[in-house]
Amino acid sequence: ETGVTQTPRHLVMGMTNKKSLKCEQHLGHNAMYWYKQSAKKPLELMFVYNFKEQTENNSVPSRFSPECPNSSHLFLHLHTLQPEDSALYLCASSQAIAGLLGETQYFGPGTRLLVL
Amino acid sequence: TQLLEQSPQFLSIQEGENLTVYCNSSSVFSSLQWYRQEPGEGPVLLVTVVTGGEVKKLKRLTFQFGDARKDSSLHITAAQPGDTGLYLCAGAIRSGTPDKLIFGTGTRLQVFP
Repeated sequence: ETGVTQTPRHLVMGMTNKKSLKCEQHLGHNAMYWYKQSAKKPLELMFVYNFKEQTENNSVPSRFSPECPNSSHLFLHLHTLQPEDSALYLCASSQAIAGLLGETQYFGPGTRLLVL
Repeated sequence: TQLLEQSPQFLSIQEGENLTVYCNSSSVFSSLQWYRQEPGEGPVLLVTVVTGGEVKKLKRLTFQFGDARKDSSLHITAAQPGDTGLYLCAGAIRSGTPDKLIFGTGTRLQVFP
């Protein structure tokens, strides 16, 4: 068991909808991440949070809005998405973030998103 | 743009065969990780290699980090159906704090009984 849960597991939404993805980690970690995994493209880092503070926004469009109310929860708010945003969205957590040397990231199972 | 190329992209083999997956880049990495991802799940870390030339073994899996820390390989001996999955390498690049983690293009392995 990875200790990182994501809901919902599957989501279909129209381009005008607003939805949110939720991630929760039960590992006592301080850093949390959002990744996007598309077919035929490498896993892309979107956002990084360390002790609830955003430390990285990897040039992600503003239609994706992250929120980290505490070290255990991470949300990704979605609005006016495009069909090309359809992908698997993965959440991960790690104990520390000061360099990734030897640091293990634990991934959740992902939310499979389809934008129509 | 930093890119980690993995080869082959797809691999279908019979149970008992050996295989090697390669991960190559022109960038130097401070460390490199290998993950396996099964359908419907997130990637799971298999190993982290840190030193150039380092070799790590995990049962039937052997991981090697290139001397120049730009490439890596994963060798599986006597593959089993349970090894089926997407194998991802990920290199850490020193770029402020935290390091940037660049994921490879992935190798999808299918092992038939």
